[in-house]
Amino acid sequence: NAGVTQTPKFRVLKTGQSMTLLCAQDMNHEYMYWYRQDPGMGLRLIHYSVGEGTTAKGEVPDGYNVSRLKKQNFLLGLESAAPSQTSVYFCASSYVGTGGGQPQHFGDGTRLSIL
Amino acid sequence: DQQVKQNSPSLSVQEGRISILNCDYTNSMFDYFLWYKKYPAEGPTFLISISSIKDKNEDGRFTVFLNKSAKHLSLHIVPSQPGDSAVYFCAASLFTSGTYKYIFGTGTRLKVLA
Repeated sequence: NAGVTQTPKFRVLKTGQSMTLLCAQDMNHEYMYWYRQDPGMGLRLIHYSVGEGTTAKGEVPDGYNVSRLKKQNFLLGLESAAPSQTSVYFCASSYVGTGGGQPQHFGDGTRLSIL
Repeated sequence: DQQVKQNSPSLSVQEGRISILNCDYTNSMFDYFLWYKKYPAEGPTFLISISSIKDKNEDGRFTVFLNKSAKHLSLHIVPSQPGDSAVYFCAASLFTSGTYKYIFGTGTRLKVLA
């Protein structure tokens, strides 16, 4: 049971390059999320999706785009990478439930460095 | 504006003793609070949660207490074990724009000394 899988695990980019981070979950979850974690800060929500074909902006969406063409996959794109986007990126998924107590299941993260 | 705060960046506890991790929040509309544990190079994993209408939830060695009047919650780990050494995140859920969003604290690094 893989849970939530993120690829790649590490990547170094040059300023201005583009790339896509892939998140795949095998738990048939409706909700999927992308977060970034920076030193001294909690996880901050970039974008999220409440179902296949839907996406919405989170707290820090600028510079990122997302797509959810299939229920199990949630892609995070950087069109023109900037050094400020150096971070650890986490993908998470969860069931739709009554109340906000549904736990999120996280991938192991992608460590991205922008030079 | 940090709506969920974990004011202690780190905590060291002797094995077998109690670990108490604290979290403060500002938004009275949060409906659930969750604790996650994170080991290095891994993603956070869910530990325990509590509804805003409860004041205590217990699961084995882990107990979460909620004090709504003080907007404060705490996670108690008894007894603490070396394997509990990790970063602990407090998170709060908020229903907004048709879905639940989660606001995370900055984390507390717990070190359990053998």
